[in-house]
Formats: sequence, structure tokens, C-alpha cells
Amino acid sequence: DGGITQSPKYLFRKEGQNVTLSCEQNLNHDAMYWYRQDPGQGLRLIYYSQIVNDFQKGDIAEGYSVSREKKESFPLTVTSAQKNPTAFYLCASSIVQGWTEAFFGQGTRLTVV
Amino acid sequence: RKEVEQDPGPFNVPEGATVAFNCTYSNSASQSFFWYRQDCRKEPKLLMSVYSSGNEDGRFTAQLNRASQYISLLIRDSKLSDSATYLCAVNEDNDMRFGAGTRLTVKP
Repeated sequence: DGGITQSPKYLFRKEGQNVTLSCEQNLNHDAMYWYRQDPGQGLRLIYYSQIVNDFQKGDIAEGYSVSREKKESFPLTVTSAQKNPTAFYLCASSIVQGWTEAFFGQGTRLTVV
Repeated sequence: RKEVEQDPGPFNVPEGATVAFNCTYSNSASQSFFWYRQDCRKEPKLLMSVYSSGNEDGRFTAQLNRASQYISLLIRDSKLSDSATYLCAVNEDNDMRFGAGTRLTVKP
């Protein structure tokens, strides 16, 4: 089945540690996105990538880093510089051209302990 | 100014009611528009795309007003299962932006 897979579903991290969230898609989509969602809030764009080896900062990129070495993979690293990392992280992908709705993975719920 | 704005609600309606949500966007160059549904602690799922001519899918109708830069979603004959948060999304050159969502609760 085609889709987007995020792992892990739940993640606990100690303060001061970096952690990497995985996002893999087999939809052959060019564009991929990372969003953060806090309780009762909407989706805020962290980073997005339209093509391999290229990515752009979204509205809240500080404290995060990404890479796009392969078309199907767009991992997100939450660094120790992110002061309030506890949130629900959603990865999405879409076709670059045309009426391009985004499809989401199931999300990773990160808790800093 | 937020790029995509929605009435946060919550909307509490009885079964069978008709309810409408609006969403405004600031970038006139926006190219495509969508409504998503998000259930509690789940990922958003595409409900429907929004076309210039308006489109309907069963009890759901979406409309786009480019001149006033807003999109709308109308739900007729509300069901208990329609209870969720509805997010509008605006895509400009593949920079996909979402509204904060409107929470709907349909009650018996």
C-alpha cells in the first residue's frame, strides 16, 4: 500500500538530547513537509522540501533541522536548542505540480521528560 | 497577520443541523484550496478539494471566493460522526498552509 510512514508513534526524550523523527513515503511525491501541532492549536510549518537536496524553512524552524538525501525520506531532528519540543509532529507529502493536496503520516507524539 | 484564518468555534449543533465554516487567506497568489478533517489525536485527512466553481460531495459543499479570498464548507444534515476539527488548507507554490481549525461537536 502507498502511504507515508512516521516512526516512532510515541517518543520520550530527556532535556538536552537531540532526537530524530523518521518520515518515509512511497507515493513518489516530490514535496514533503514537517508540521508541529500543539494541543488545541493548528498546524505550524517547520520545514518543507520540494526536491531532493533542497529544503526551506517554515515559520518555526529554529531548533530543528532536516535533510532530504532521498526523495522518499525527510527526517526531522529536534535539537536541544528547541526550548519547548513537546508536541505532536506531522509529516506530509504532495505532488509538486497541479492541484496538490497533502497526505499525512500518523504523526509522532514527542514528550520531553 | 496570519496567512490562513478560521473561526475557532467550537460549534455545538444538534443532529440534522446545517453548519457552515469559513476560512480566509491573505495571499492572492494561492493556487489550490482544501478542507481537511482531523479527529482527536489523529492526523488530518483530506475531506475535499475546493474548486473555483464550487463542489459538492454528499452532505458536504465547498466554495471558493477568490475576490474576497475565502473558502467555505457547508455540512448539511449533521451526523454525530461529523464531530471533529475541520482545517482549511491553502497551497501557494507548494508551501502548504493550514488554518488553526474549527471544532465541531454534533449532539444527539
